[in-house]
Amino acid sequence: AQSVTQLDSHVSVSEGTPVLLRCNYSSSYSPSLFWYVQHPNKGLQLLLKYTSAATLVKGINGFEAEFKKSETSFHLTKPSAHMSDAAEYFCVVSDFGNEKLTFGTGTRLTIIP
Amino acid sequence: GAGVSQSPRYKVAKRGQDVALRCDPISGHVSLFWYQQALGQGPEFLTYFQNEAQLDKSGLPSDRFFAERPEGSVSTLKIQRTQQEDSAVYLCASSLNFGDPSYNEQFFGPGTRLTVL
Repeated sequence: AQSVTQLDSHVSVSEGTPVLLRCNYSSSYSPSLFWYVQHPNKGLQLLLKYTSAATLVKGINGFEAEFKKSETSFHLTKPSAHMSDAAEYFCVVSDFGNEKLTFGTGTRLTIIP
Repeated sequence: GAGVSQSPRYKVAKRGQDVALRCDPISGHVSLFWYQQALGQGPEFLTYFQNEAQLDKSGLPSDRFFAERPEGSVSTLKIQRTQQEDSAVYLCASSLNFGDPSYNEQFFGPGTRLTVL
């Protein structure tokens, strides 16, 4: 069975400093991995996805993530945080050939002015 | 273009009442999904349709939950005899479903927040 573990429930960073949101996954097959963002009172939005192509994936709004099979990790990073990045972030996995998504418990990102 | 829409956005029900939640997917999207998001948790899969066929309902928590998509477009999630533990945000998502399913992006609606008193 597939699963993801988000290692931090809450991360606070100062505006302009780097962001690191950590995610480890478990999957029986070759997984697809995603990061979704959820702003208050808005729908989930796809930030980026890994589907067995390049291991370093670039997404929207300056975010990127690196797939590391040896570490079963898919951490999300951004070089410089912006106030508008404050939101809930979900790491998500699906098994190869399966559209069903399995979400982590989320990491709430707070940006300090 | 229009995204996924859901109605109502908020629903308050008394324990024991039946509720129906509606999802309008993006036009032309073949796949439709329902997820349940409890407070402070990530969304959890409930059920999946490909056109009008319900291919996976393994996430439905009990037989009080029923979903349908009779014409392969609009979907309704029905909860009978609601209980307090059913209180959650119910999310609908749709995708084009072309080629390798791993490549299909799911587009999410804003959700329906159900509160059972």
